[in-house]
Parts: sequence; structure tokens; C-alpha cells
Amino acid sequence: GQQVMQIPQYQHVQEGEDFTTYCNSSTTLSNIQWYKQRPGGHPVFLIQLVKSGEVKKQKRLTFQFGEAKKNSSLHITATQTTDVGTYFCAAPRGTYKYIFGTGTRLKVLA
Amino acid sequence: ETGVTQSPTHLIKTRGQQVTLRCSSQSGHNTVSWYQQALGQGPQFIFQYYREEENGRGNFPPRFSGLQFPNYSSELNVNALELDDSALYLCASSLGALVGQETQYFGPGTRLLVL
Repeated sequence: GQQVMQIPQYQHVQEGEDFTTYCNSSTTLSNIQWYKQRPGGHPVFLIQLVKSGEVKKQKRLTFQFGEAKKNSSLHITATQTTDVGTYFCAAPRGTYKYIFGTGTRLKVLA
Repeated sequence: ETGVTQSPTHLIKTRGQQVTLRCSSQSGHNTVSWYQQALGQGPQFIFQYYREEENGRGNFPPRFSGLQFPNYSSELNVNALELDDSALYLCASSLGALVGQETQYFGPGTRLLVL
């Protein structure tokens, strides 16, 4: 069945360094969503990408959807301690269901 | 704040018992989805309800069941609890039911421990 893999599983960066997490699907996706979950918290919706090659920016966060709509990336420029958490991508499976990726846990060292 | 609430926040049960978890969606949101998140894992889709009818289900056995009420509240029931049911249970509400239609707003979750 459809799988959604994220790499890396963990990333430790110094504050001010950049960070990127990648999401890869075995099948073509109609759209992809990104969520952030702080330690002890719940997933919070960040963005949805729909179009092939789409790039969206939210302040220091840049989201990209691959041309083949099978992969996506989230890039954070100049990380801050507030960026700590686990970042998940979520891909649709069927009509009603989202499959969440394995997540990338980001730790920012001050 | 997402406007989605869940109760209780924490719960301890023993194997074989039954549990009911509750969720209150944002007003006007017709769709609620339930997820199970084991420690260190991503959320796993259990099922979705749209206007009080189940319209999608993940790979969970029938002992996981749900209800959605007209007042935007919903329940997740789990019978015959097993140790592996220990997890964070999340509900998420949205306006529409189809994937890609609407943003999902997650509640804070209920952390269930089965001993």
C-alpha cells in the first residue's frame, strides 16, 4: 500500500542554521499537508500544497511540492528555539483519509 | 487555540476494560476524524465521521468504534483494551469530509495508558 517516508528521522542543529526535511511517497499525490507538533502537544496544520512544483513560503519556512507530485520538502532558514518539534507530512489515501509520515524530530541547540 | 477540546486529558485502564474518549469539534464543523499516535510515531487514522455517519476507516479492528452527535461532539469507544492500545488519541475536526478540502484542526489529545 501507499507509504509516506520522511527523512531524516532526527535532526539537531545549532540555532541559526538551516534545516530541511523531506517527504517521499510511493504514489502520485493529489495534495500534501504539513504539520508541526511541539513536544507534548498536538499536530498543528502548517500548509497544504496542491500543484506540481508549487512553492509556498511562510516567513522562514519554505514548502515545496515536487514536479512529479511524489515528494515534498520543508525548509527552515535560520532556525530558532521556537522551531523545536516534530514535523509531519500527511498525504491523502483514498477519499477521506490522510496517511501521516514518520516525522522528523528537530532539536535546536542555543 | 483550535477550538477543539478533548476529555479526559489522561486515563489509565487495565487490559480487557472498555474506554470512551470524547471530543468537541469546532462549531459548524461537520467532520471529525480520530487518530491514534503511539510514542515516537505519526498519527494513524482510525476513522472519520461526517454528519453522524462513518465514511472512512483505517486498519483498526471493530473493537474501535465511534459516534458523532448533532451538537458537534463525538466519541471514540475501545472495547477489550490491549497493552498496545496505549497511545495518544487525537480527534481532528474540519468543515468538509473529502481529503484536500479543508484544514484539519486537532484537539489536545487524550493520553491512554493500558496496564
